[in-house]
Amino acid sequence: DGGITQSPKYLFRKEGQNVTLSCEQNLNHDAMYWYRQDPGQGLRLIYYSQIVNDFQKGDIAEGYSVSREKKESFPLTVTSAQKNPTAFYLCASRKGTGPYEQYFGPGTRLTVT
Amino acid sequence: AQSVTQPDIHITVSEGASLELRCNYSYGATPYLFWYVQSPGQGLQLLLKYFSGDTLVQGIKGFEAEFKRSQSSFNLRKPSVHWSDAAEYFCAVGAENSGYALNFGKGTSLLVTP
Repeated sequence: DGGITQSPKYLFRKEGQNVTLSCEQNLNHDAMYWYRQDPGQGLRLIYYSQIVNDFQKGDIAEGYSVSREKKESFPLTVTSAQKNPTAFYLCASRKGTGPYEQYFGPGTRLTVT
Repeated sequence: AQSVTQPDIHITVSEGASLELRCNYSYGATPYLFWYVQSPGQGLQLLLKYFSGDTLVQGIKGFEAEFKRSQSSFNLRKPSVHWSDAAEYFCAVGAENSGYALNFGKGTSLLVTP
């Protein structure tokens, strides 16, 4: 089955630690995205990548980093510089270079204490 | 800058009743518009999309939406709601100048009563 996988579903970390969230897709999509979801806030864009080895900051990139070494993978690192990292993180992908819809993974809930 | 407004945070409807969820957008060019649905703790599922052409678009699960450029709206409708429709609904707009990243509204939570 084609789709997007995010692992783990739940992640717990202590404050001050970096943590990496995994996102893998086997849809052969070119573009990938990371969004953050907080209650009552909708989804906000963290980073996106349209091709391998290239990515752009979104609206709330501070305290986050990404890499895109392979087409199918777009991991997100939440660094200790992120002031309020506890949230639900969603990865998405989109085919081609046109305005196609995005497909979303199941999400990772990160809790930092 | 583009933005999306969903005026209703919560909506409650009776099972079998009709539904309309409102969405207003602000965007200079022709918008690429989407409605997604999210069950608790899950990812988002696409209900329908509008890029161009016929302004009334049909989606999955019996949903439809109408694009009205004059009102900058893209409201979601369903003639008869089922209990399984209870979820969070998000309207979103995509822009070419940001890699078609989506700008989301804050969502409308739908409760369906018996």
